Amino acid sequence: QKEVEQNSGPLSVPEGAIASLNCTYSDRGSQSFFWYRQYSGKSPELIMSIYSNGDKEDGRFTAQLNKASQYVSLLIRDSQPSDSATYLCAVMRRVVNTPLVFGKGTRLSVIA
Amino acid sequence: GAVVSQHPSWVICKSGTSVKIECRSLDFQATTMFWYRQFPKQSLMLMATSNEGSKATYEQGVEKDKFLINHASLTLSTLTVTSAHPEDSSFYICSASGIHLLGAGNTIYFGEGSWLTVV
Repeated sequence: QKEVEQNSGPLSVPEGAIASLNCTYSDRGSQSFFWYRQYSGKSPELIMSIYSNGDKEDGRFTAQLNKASQYVSLLIRDSQPSDSATYLCAVMRRVVNTPLVFGKGTRLSVIA
Repeated sequence: GAVVSQHPSWVICKSGTSVKIECRSLDFQATTMFWYRQFPKQSLMLMATSNEGSKATYEQGVEKDKFLINHASLTLSTLTVTSAHPEDSSFYICSASGIHLLGAGNTIYFGEGSWLTVV
């Protein structure tokens, strides 16, 4: 089983809809979870970080974490064409200053 | 502005030559630097981890004699691809972990990435 798994997509949603991106991880002791957005040919940029169970909202983005199910999700409300990108789920192992482990990413396409 | 500045953004080199990629941290003490490689439509794959002043730790399958990493200071880390071959063509990204001088807590920042094409 891969450490971080995501559906590669593509996930297509109409403009204004809610996009739901999912991620599961295998290391039960993982402490920190991140969602990055990566445009083609560019470096990833951080969208959200979440550390405890529940929801965390930031503007149009909501991250959800369920450690018991080893599941992280990202909701994008009022999706815009500019949100079209690959979304990477990343998990940090237990210790600080350890590298992020990335999923393969889910390609999101928001259709105008 | 960028907290981690990576150069060059893109480079084309001939097979057999060496290429150096630099990552500089700005207002940021990069105690640990991670180097990733990303092939088209693939995820970021960790190549190595380096702590300032120490030798890098390479992931399984990554040749340490081919990918030379230097992390001599808290603000600079370099990756040198030696005797490059076409199969080394990829997107290389550095990621720095440490303390932002204007912020609080341990944070991870990414460089802008470097496209390497070996012809």
